[in-house]
Amino acid sequence: EDQVTQSPEALRLQEGESSSLNCSYTVSGLRGLFWYRQDPGKGPEFLFTLYSAGEEKEKERLKATLTKKESFLHITAPKPEDSATYLCAVQAGPPNFGNEKLTFGTGTRLTIIP
Amino acid sequence: GAVVSQHPSRVICKSGTSVKIECRSLDFQATTMFWYRQFPKKSLMLMATSNEGSKATYEQGVEKDKFLINHASLTLSTLTVTSAHPEDSSFYICSAGPINEKLFFGSGTQLSVL
Repeated sequence: EDQVTQSPEALRLQEGESSSLNCSYTVSGLRGLFWYRQDPGKGPEFLFTLYSAGEEKEKERLKATLTKKESFLHITAPKPEDSATYLCAVQAGPPNFGNEKLTFGTGTRLTIIP
Repeated sequence: GAVVSQHPSRVICKSGTSVKIECRSLDFQATTMFWYRQFPKKSLMLMATSNEGSKATYEQGVEKDKFLINHASLTLSTLTVTSAHPEDSSFYICSAGPINEKLFFGSGTQLSVL
């Protein structure tokens, strides 16, 4: 069974204070690791997809990296508007039709204090 | 990015009534749609995979007769919570895709059963 664990559960940072969120995974046949941002009462918003160990992707103050066991979401000089829950999800198994489901971690609630 | 529209965003109903939630892909055709359930401060739990023109595939522990899913066209899937009870109160989110292996999410429906 695919497992995804995120840490920390919650993180409070001062504005401008850089940090990293962790996503550890145990899957059989990783096809992709996804990062989403979720604001309260809203659906997840796509951020990144990583496919292979060593891959990195950046978007504004966010940078996602991937190893064979975990992924990190680095946030550099965060601003209050970066406050949200960040979700990690994996897609695994053979690329069969209809097998695109995602298994999510429990998320990290990030709060950036002005 | 692709747009997934979900309605209603919030519904309050009496115990014993049925509630229908719609999920539409607005600018793409979705052969597969997914329905998730999310409890407060918890992650998304996959309920079922909906494939256009065929029966939905439910995850273990999800009652088929309680949560009816219909995917009648390439742009519309519906989730009907039948004979809703307070324990069915939750945040329900649909997703559609894939587009370049990405899944896009609706804005969610907060169901409150009195």
